[in-house]
Amino acid sequence: DTAVSQTPKYLVTQMGNDKSIKCEQNLGHDTMYWYKQDSKKFLKIMFSYNNKELIINETVPNRFSPKSPDKAHLNLHINSLELGDSAVYFCASSQAARDTDTQYFGPGTRLTVL
Amino acid sequence: QKEVEQDPGPLSVPEGAIVSLNCTYSNSAFQYFMWYRQYSRKGPELLMYTYSSGNKEDGRFTAQVDKSSKYISLFIRDSQPSDSATYLCAMRPSGGYQKVTFGTGTKLQVIP
Repeated sequence: DTAVSQTPKYLVTQMGNDKSIKCEQNLGHDTMYWYKQDSKKFLKIMFSYNNKELIINETVPNRFSPKSPDKAHLNLHINSLELGDSAVYFCASSQAARDTDTQYFGPGTRLTVL
Repeated sequence: QKEVEQDPGPLSVPEGAIVSLNCTYSNSAFQYFMWYRQYSRKGPELLMYTYSSGNKEDGRFTAQVDKSSKYISLFIRDSQPSDSATYLCAMRPSGGYQKVTFGTGTKLQVIP
């Protein structure tokens, strides 16, 4: 059984479009995250939710809007896609945002904006 | 200057070699230090987790933290081709709801 799953795995779209990426975890964790990994493999946190409440919101354009319908799901909606949004987006989850909590990552969604 | 610096490599070693991977950091508030392994086209997975300074060993892997020098290392003994991956260091301050800051990763290739 997949612990953290993301859909779609690949997403190719035109500039200006709006797209969503979905994430689900079946680990019973309370905290979920979105990360962006650029072409140089730099992994940077975008958002974190704990029990559906936003707890980390890095400097991300407001074209990116996370939504957590319940603590097992965290979706990412991106409006007006730009070339610079091309990257791999990873969802992750942990039991809580505590010091020793391990984050479990999904397989990633490779977004290409043309 | 980035908070966490890591040599991107690539690093190529023969099978059986001892591998040393390193990161330096600038934020003295970091207390928890992690190493993640990321295979090509996969998500990162946690390898080692250490708190504050000291060493931690797990099988062929040893993590070292030197907070006085703001320097962490991961050693891999008897490296195997299956160790070929990108290794990301990561760290965070203590206290709840603190973000994890990642290094850029070092790509390792172990040649049979």
